[in-house]
Amino acid sequence: EVQLVESGGGLVQPGGSLRLSCVASGFTFSGYWMTWVRQAPGKGLEWVAYIKYDGTSKNYEDSVKGRFTISRDNAKNSLYLQMNSLRVEDTAVYYCAKGTWTNDYWGQGTLVSVSS
Amino acid sequence: QSALTQPPSASGSPGQSVTISCTGTSSDVGSYDYVSWYQQHPGKAPKLMIYEVNERPSGVPDRFSGSKSGNTASLTVSGLQADDEADYYCSSYTGSNIVFGTGTKVTVL
Repeated sequence: EVQLVESGGGLVQPGGSLRLSCVASGFTFSGYWMTWVRQAPGKGLEWVAYIKYDGTSKNYEDSVKGRFTISRDNAKNSLYLQMNSLRVEDTAVYYCAKGTWTNDYWGQGTLVSVSS
Repeated sequence: QSALTQPPSASGSPGQSVTISCTGTSSDVGSYDYVSWYQQHPGKAPKLMIYEVNERPSGVPDRFSGSKSGNTASLTVSGLQADDEADYYCSSYTGSNIVFGTGTKVTVL
């Protein structure tokens, strides 16, 4: 059974940092591109970033470029999102998802709240 | 990259059909057959319903179908059931990024 479990969310002040993690199981993690998607409270889904199966290619949504870094550790079946210079508008539930243009499995999400 | 445009709401009675549109541009929906549709119930993670315009993952009922014409993709839910009441989002590859639709709330009357 495929499982994706996110962690690392919480309350942070504007300008602060957080690192989200996503542990995968039930599939060969090292063989798949992975994605982060976020959803602000009461709003729609927004793609954040994706990373190639070997970590050699990454792409970011414009508003997070230069502030967020996606990475992975295939030995630990883990996906990460380092978020720096956080803004109030980054407040959202962050989901990790398997795949890129097709996300066939999603985690339950972790809430990031940016507020003073 | 602007979000794909979906109607805010759609509705139908049990047993009826509802079709949701997803309008993009020639740079996303119009150029790639990498359109997906997701169902999201309140407080839950999204669930893949359709991928690559009209392919259904295993376990998704054949009441759900997808299509595309030009810059607009569509999701049709036939034989509406109470559990189909949810938010639906489309997404498309853009050649480098991924863009989601604005979302449609489907109500089963």
